[in-house]
Amino acid sequence: ETVMTQSPATLSASPGERVTLSCRASQGVNTNLAWYQQKPGQAPRLLIYYASTRATGVPARFSGSGSGTEFTLTISSLQSEDSAVYYCQQYNYWPLFTFGPGTKVDIK
Amino acid sequence: EEQLVESGGGLIQPGGSLRLSCAASGLTVSNNYMTWVRQAPGKGLEWVSVVYVGGNTYYADSVKGRFTISRDNSENTLYLQMNSLRAEDTAVYYCARVDYSRSSGAFDIWGQGTRVTVSS
Repeated sequence: ETVMTQSPATLSASPGERVTLSCRASQGVNTNLAWYQQKPGQAPRLLIYYASTRATGVPARFSGSGSGTEFTLTISSLQSEDSAVYYCQQYNYWPLFTFGPGTKVDIK
Repeated sequence: EEQLVESGGGLIQPGGSLRLSCAASGLTVSNNYMTWVRQAPGKGLEWVSVVYVGGNTYYADSVKGRFTISRDNSENTLYLQMNSLRAEDTAVYYCARVDYSRSSGAFDIWGQGTRVTVSS
């Protein structure tokens, strides 16, 4: 099983700040990595796939990078509506999809 | 608009059974890879099961032998039959579409979730 880890567990930042979330895979997943945003009481929403491709309708302030085992999600200018938990997920090893534990982003 | 709507959750005693439904509109369940993901209270996302376009099914070790994923093509609905339920199965269950054509496997469409509580 491919174990996904994320850091930090929680981060707090001010509106307008640039924030970077990290995701690490226990073995290489190429670029078969997705990021999801989940707000309280809502279903997850796909933000990024193929490690760096934004899903339809995702604002340009969200960007992803990385390959192999190290990945990042960057929010270039944090907005109040970005308060959420962000999960990474590998889909390289079908059918054993695995998610990271999530990073909670709070707005100061 | 592509939409998934889950139903069937509720309170069930340990050892009991429950069947979750996921009704699709705007997409054809049988033409897509479809999956179930769950989220225990206050916890992260856990993949549960997937059904391939060809009909092959796969399960997380935590539910193997107890849960069965299936689909009804005429109803355009995905199901999750859950037997021998345990307290640790308590979660919100989401169905989702696995987007193979564009992303090779990201989950691009999600339902709103249905809550399952296993308790005596």
